[in-house]
Amino acid sequence: NAGVMQNPRHLVRRRGQEARLRCSPMKGHSHVYWYRQLPEEGLKFMVYLQKENIIDESGMPKERFSAEFPKEGPSILRIQQVVRGDSAAYFCASSPSRYGASGNTIYFGEGSWLTVV
Amino acid sequence: AQSVAQPEDQVNVAEGNPLTVKCTYSVSGNPYLFWYVQYPNRGLQFLLKYITGDNLVKGSYGFEAEFNKSQTSFHLKKPSALVSDSALYFCAVRDMNFNKFYFGSGTKLNVKP
Repeated sequence: NAGVMQNPRHLVRRRGQEARLRCSPMKGHSHVYWYRQLPEEGLKFMVYLQKENIIDESGMPKERFSAEFPKEGPSILRIQQVVRGDSAAYFCASSPSRYGASGNTIYFGEGSWLTVV
Repeated sequence: AQSVAQPEDQVNVAEGNPLTVKCTYSVSGNPYLFWYVQYPNRGLQFLLKYITGDNLVKGSYGFEAEFNKSQTSFHLKKPSALVSDSALYFCAVRDMNFNKFYFGSGTKLNVKP
């Protein structure tokens, strides 16, 4: 019974490098959400994707951040030229469908902790 | 605009006592409300949700939540707190028009033995 799978769980990058975070949604789920959690802070919405489509990226920083959810494979959150302020926990969540049973819940992965040194 | 407020950053309660974690919401239309719990260095775990029906919703680990439409609240409750309930709790509301989930800022629950 695989839940939402995220990897890597922990990632250390030097300033200026690239970070790639991967998320495989739960089986049967076609919607993926990415959230960021800074230390001692709440969750901030970043982006909402369906297969091959970005539905809402209103929470994504305008530069250096991008996300995709290809037809095959996991969703990827990519951070280019990382800076110390990017250090955070990045959570992926998935849900079955927009028009499924009312009130479909989203289920979270265990997170990817990015540390920029 | 949809939003959720958790007015308390932290709640302290003694083990065995009842606990309440507060949440108020603002939505257009019918609210779909959720509670999640986060233990240190872990992801969020779903606790319970309100969609329709009884105002008192029962969830995992003995938690329940009471939906109050007139007060636009969805407070999380448990009759008898355990030390192991100590965690960060998030209230969320779903915007059915745009399929987005809005989370509160979180409330840290400390249960002391």
